[in-house]
Amino acid sequence: ILNVEQSPQSLHVQEGDSTNFTCSFPSSNFYALHWYRWETAKSPEALFVMTLNGDEKKKGRISATLNTKEGYSYLYIKGSQPEDSATYLCAFISPGAQKLVFGQGTRLTINP
Amino acid sequence: DTGVSQNPRHKITKRGQNVTFRCDPISEHNRLYWYRQTLGQGPEFLTYFQNEAQLEKSRLLSDRFSAERPKGSFSTLEIQRTEQGDSAMYLCASTRTGNYEQYFGPGTRLTVT
Repeated sequence: ILNVEQSPQSLHVQEGDSTNFTCSFPSSNFYALHWYRWETAKSPEALFVMTLNGDEKKKGRISATLNTKEGYSYLYIKGSQPEDSATYLCAFISPGAQKLVFGQGTRLTINP
Repeated sequence: DTGVSQNPRHKITKRGQNVTFRCDPISEHNRLYWYRQTLGQGPEFLTYFQNEAQLEKSRLLSDRFSAERPKGSFSTLEIQRTEQGDSAMYLCASTRTGNYEQYFGPGTRLTVT
């Protein structure tokens, strides 16, 4: 059974502060890791797809790193804004598989 | 808008009733996935189609659940004799073969009373 864990489960951050959270996944049998942002009443939106150990990806104020050897990925948000409030999901995919295996998500709330 | 759409967005039903949800994927996508999310958990895989063929089903998909994609375009997910434990968000996603990224719809929230 593949186990993908995210921490923390929820996070409250002051507007303007930076924050980060973690996704851990099986280090063996790795193919790709996805990060999604899911705002209430909207569709989950893909942020990053990461495949290579040491990968770093950036989109505006959000960036992510990947360590496949130890089985973790970090998502960083710099200078949090109210519109960053959402649930952030990571999802693991193993070679030959089609399905995404999700963590339970980190629910981020930005306090103005 | 050419994203993935799902209908209805919300469904409230009484225990024992049958419900059917519809997913319209992005038009050129040949793969379609169904996931279910219950409170406090991440989405869990239910099943996926390549064109009209259902290629994988999760153990979560009991005999009361059936999914179809008759013409390789839209898909339906039917739950027969609903139970309170079926209350969840049902998400649909689509992609093209060889593409890592799955594009999600907004989901159908089912409440079984």
